[in-house]
Amino acid sequence: AQSVTQLGSHVSVSEGALVLLRCNYSSSVPPYLFWYVQYPNQGLQLLLKYTSAATLVKGINGFEAEFKKSETSFHLTKPSAHMSDAAEYFCAVSEGSGSARQLTFGSGTQLTVLP
Amino acid sequence: DGGITQSPKYLFRKEGQNVTLSCEQNLNHDAMYWYRQDPGQGLRLIYYSQIVNDFQKGDIAEGYSVSREKKESFPLTVTSAQKNPTAFYLCASSPGQVALEAFFGQGTRLTVV
Repeated sequence: AQSVTQLGSHVSVSEGALVLLRCNYSSSVPPYLFWYVQYPNQGLQLLLKYTSAATLVKGINGFEAEFKKSETSFHLTKPSAHMSDAAEYFCAVSEGSGSARQLTFGSGTQLTVLP
Repeated sequence: DGGITQSPKYLFRKEGQNVTLSCEQNLNHDAMYWYRQDPGQGLRLIYYSQIVNDFQKGDIAEGYSVSREKKESFPLTVTSAQKNPTAFYLCASSPGQVALEAFFGQGTRLTVV
C-alpha cells in the first residue's frame, strides 16, 4: 500500500529565502510522485511530477524536486520565495497500472511567505 | 477551453437533505474522481470511475453515491446518511493510461446547516 507523509503542516519563510517542503513516501513498487499547489478555495494545480526519468525534476514557477530512493523522499524546493508562492502544497504518490492508477495525497503543507 | 467544471462553487443545504454536486469535463478523459478535503487531512478519495457505467468506492464512500452515464459527467450525491457532509469537494479526471497526473476542478464548498 502506498502512503505519503508531509513533515510540517505549516512552513514560514521570508521573501527571497529558500523554500523547502518535505515529503516522504511509502510504496511497494517504484512510485510516481507529484507535487500540487492549491490557492484558497481553488482546485489543485500540478507543479511537477516524477515518472522514473531524471531524479531532479523541474516544475512551474521555479520549483523543483529531487527523488531520492534511498531516503524515500521527494522534497520540493525553490531557491527564492515570492509572495505569490503562499499557498498549500500537496505531495502525492501513484501506484497501480493503467487506468487503475490512483493518487494518494499527503495532508498538505501551508506555506506562508513573510515580507 | 478544455477543463473540468464543478458547479455550484458554494452550496448550502439543510441537514437531512440529499444534494448533488455536478462535475463535467471536456478533456476526453476516461477516469474521473471525487475527493473530499477537510482542513489538515489532505484529500480523501470518495469514488472513482475508469469507464462509463462503472465506478468503484474509494476510502470514504459511505453516505455518498455517484453515477457515470456519460464520459464527460460524474455527479456526486451527498445523502442524508453522510454524518458530517460539510467539506470542500474536488472532482478530478485523468486520461488513464496515457498520462499519470490528475486534473482538478475548482471545487464545491458544501455547508450543511
